Amino acid sequence: DTAVSQTPKYLVTQMGNDKSIKCEQNLGHDTMYWYKQDSKKFLKIMFSYNNKELIINETVPNRFSPKSPDKAHLNLHINSLELGDSAVYFCASSQGGAPSNQPQHFGDGTRLSIL
Amino acid sequence: AQKVTQAQTEISVVEKEDVTLDCVYETRDTTYYLFWYKQPPSGELVFLIRRNSFDEQNEISGRYSWNFQKSTSSFNFTITASQVVDSAVYFCALTQPYNQGGKLIFGQGTELSVKP
Repeated sequence: DTAVSQTPKYLVTQMGNDKSIKCEQNLGHDTMYWYKQDSKKFLKIMFSYNNKELIINETVPNRFSPKSPDKAHLNLHINSLELGDSAVYFCASSQGGAPSNQPQHFGDGTRLSIL
Repeated sequence: AQKVTQAQTEISVVEKEDVTLDCVYETRDTTYYLFWYKQPPSGELVFLIRRNSFDEQNEISGRYSWNFQKSTSSFNFTITASQVVDSAVYFCALTQPYNQGGKLIFGQGTELSVKP
């Protein structure tokens, strides 16, 4: 029944490692997103894909690489993890090709902790 | 540039009190959408309401109500007879037009604590 599911829920790893977070939505939505929530709870968009095509790429280090194999999946790969990458990462999806007016449905978040 | 300001960082009330969460936004666009999301202690983000810029009618859903006023660029959220389960961080958000990327711009969030 889960609409937007992301795995893993928790990720603890050491600086310099490479890790991936997976996201899948079963809502039939065309647009998917990755957000980062920092320790002060501030939410900021990182990427947005529409039908597997990148449409938003906020000034994110190129160590972060999103991949969308199909419109129901948007994975996030992070290379050479740094301490500042510690945050909660949320995947989201919305209906239609225009992301600006439809509610976004969020996953439960992945809490990434860098040691 | 678009911006959302939630000036109240934290609010603490006692159960059954009414509480209003303020949201002020900035945009030059005539067409835009405003949202409220709730983030309970468990961490997930839950969509509460969407309002478009042409619809200034207030909305009520159970104990929740929203007051949208374009004249003051505000979209405030009131919880009537608050309950402990309302304790959460509440985010107000605004979308950019699609031709500018269609991004959802979040406010800083207001942490509401409802004590028994």
